[in-house]
Amino acid sequence: AQSVTQPDIHITVSEGASLELRCNYSYGATPYLFWYVQSPGQGLQLLLKYFSGDTLVQGIKGFEAEFKRSQSSFNLRKPSVHWSDAAEYFCAVAVGYKLSFGAGTTVTVRA
Amino acid sequence: KAGVTQTPRYLIKTRGQQVTLSCSPISGHRSVSWYQQTPGQGLQFLFEYFSETQRNKGNFPGRFSGRQFSNSRSEMNVSTLELGDSALYLCASSLSGAEDEQFFGPGTRLTVL
Repeated sequence: AQSVTQPDIHITVSEGASLELRCNYSYGATPYLFWYVQSPGQGLQLLLKYFSGDTLVQGIKGFEAEFKRSQSSFNLRKPSVHWSDAAEYFCAVAVGYKLSFGAGTTVTVRA
Repeated sequence: KAGVTQTPRYLIKTRGQQVTLSCSPISGHRSVSWYQQTPGQGLQFLFEYFSETQRNKGNFPGRFSGRQFSNSRSEMNVSTLELGDSALYLCASSLSGAEDEQFFGPGTRLTVL
């Protein structure tokens, strides 16, 4: 069965610093990969997705992610974090009409 | 256009009762998925419906059921509530399924006492 691992439960980053969130997946073929963000008290919002083609994917809010087949990874990055980026981030894989999510990474932004 | 709406937003029930949650998808979306979110288990897939047909179901007991109507609105039902059913229940809609962008509602917070 497919699975998604987010090794970092919590990351603290200074405003203006860069951010990288790690995601590894386990699946036989190249899956459909997603990053979603959940702000406190809100539903999830799609940041970006990867199906095929260019392995560097641009998303909303200045985020990007890089798909690396050899490492089964799909890491999320942002060059300069804003205080409003404090939230929980979920990596997900879609197989068979369902999304399987990682455990999530909580990002705290300090001034 | 209007987003995904879920009703009610908050619900308090006691053990043994049953509950029905409702989800109205974005207009034109035919796929509706349900997820349970808890601090311990994270986000777990419950089921997905497309044009009134359940296409996939997660690993939940039979107490959890759902359906979709011809207008794509969906309901999920939990019977014989247990304390462990306390969670945020999220509904998501998309044009054709999980491989599309899913648009999530704000969720229904269920508390079982």
